[in-house]
Amino acid sequence: DTAVSQTPKYLVTQMGNDKSIKCEQNLGHDTMYWYKQDSKKFLKIMFSYNNKELIINETVPNRFSPKSPDKAHLNLHINSLELGDSAVYFCASTKGVTEAFFGQGTRLTVV
Amino acid sequence: GIQVEQSPPDLILQEGANSTLRCNFSDSVNNLQWFHQNPWGQLINLFYIPSGTKQNGRLSATTVATERYSLLYISSSQTTDSGVYFCAAVVFDMRFGAGTRLTVKP
Repeated sequence: DTAVSQTPKYLVTQMGNDKSIKCEQNLGHDTMYWYKQDSKKFLKIMFSYNNKELIINETVPNRFSPKSPDKAHLNLHINSLELGDSAVYFCASTKGVTEAFFGQGTRLTVV
Repeated sequence: GIQVEQSPPDLILQEGANSTLRCNFSDSVNNLQWFHQNPWGQLINLFYIPSGTKQNGRLSATTVATERYSLLYISSSQTTDSGVYFCAAVVFDMRFGAGTRLTVKP
């Protein structure tokens, strides 16, 4: 069983569309993250979320919103996609500050 | 937030050589992890090492929390070791360094 799974793995969409990326973890973790990896490979935190608090990186445009239906899922919804949103998006989960595990990534291409 | 710096940014080795990658962090941390991003883009957990030394095969890592650095040692490198190595430090959330891009040539 995959510990942290993301879908889809690849996403190609047009500018202006709204899209979602799903993330699920089966580790019983209480904290989940979304990261954006740009073309230079830098991994930038976008959100961290546990069952108590959502922490938003202040540089993330409000077109991005995390949605958590339950503790095992943290989906990323993006409105009005722009060319600059093209990147690889990673989901991760951890229990408190212990070892974190990452999904396989979603490569988003906006055309 | 915490600053995480990795060095060197790029490293080219001949197969069989040894190397040391360094990670400096600006604050006391609750967790320190090393990851390998392979050429297919997967982030592979190498070590969870907030302090002390761990070894796994040809790889080992040491974190000296009081001096705010961690080292990743790769011995007898192989071409499959190529990729980007990241360290990530946790205070309240996980912040990554910019990575070390390792190329191992046959």
